[in-house]
Amino acid sequence: GAGVSQSPSNKVTEKGKDVELRCDPISGHTALYWYRQSLGQGLEFLIYFQGNSAPDKSGLPSDRFSAERTGGSVSTLTIQRTQQEDSAVYLCASSVGGGSSSFNEQFFGPGTRLTVL
Amino acid sequence: AQSVTQPDIHITVSEGASLELRCNYSYGATPYLFWYVQSPGQGLQLLLKYFSGDTLVQGIKGFEAEFKRSQSSFNLRKPSVHWSDAAEYFCAVGASGAGSYQLTFGKGTKLSVIP
Repeated sequence: GAGVSQSPSNKVTEKGKDVELRCDPISGHTALYWYRQSLGQGLEFLIYFQGNSAPDKSGLPSDRFSAERTGGSVSTLTIQRTQQEDSAVYLCASSVGGGSSSFNEQFFGPGTRLTVL
Repeated sequence: AQSVTQPDIHITVSEGASLELRCNYSYGATPYLFWYVQSPGQGLQLLLKYFSGDTLVQGIKGFEAEFKRSQSSFNLRKPSVHWSDAAEYFCAVGASGAGSYQLTFGKGTKLSVIP
């Protein structure tokens, strides 16, 4: 079946512009995650959505970052007034669900490479 | 909070040689442990995972890993490396317990394979 998809695959923007990154999770997966992968820094957790619960935004680096998930499916990560340090690969993942006593395996999309000039 | 250390930033091996990538974690209880591989321009693909039970886990592409609680380690191994294994490898830990979901990743080990 279809995996997690992300768009665009690459985005080049100018400093100060806003950008939107999109994630389509695997059908039926209720949990959705955003991570950021900076050069040499590994993956950094940004935000987590589970069903209709309030998202966990604890990983968002600043108030310029926000995310929403419409209809419990597609998610959009928005970065306002982009800075050069926002340049990174933004990865989305989804899993069957959360809120249980067992960890749910996360499936990752190919990522969006963001370059801020 | 949990953490993961991958001590080797870059490893080079010859094709056909054995491979071991190191991973050490810090977590107060029994963790969930994962190894992911990321090929250039690709997303992360799960190689194997440890949740409980047998401490030696088998994964895809001929990889295996062993959970050693006493050493807080989860090293990845492969007996004979193929050129197509050249990629970046990430170890990750997930917290156990109700409602847990967050993965904490190491910074990755880049594997180069000499033909």
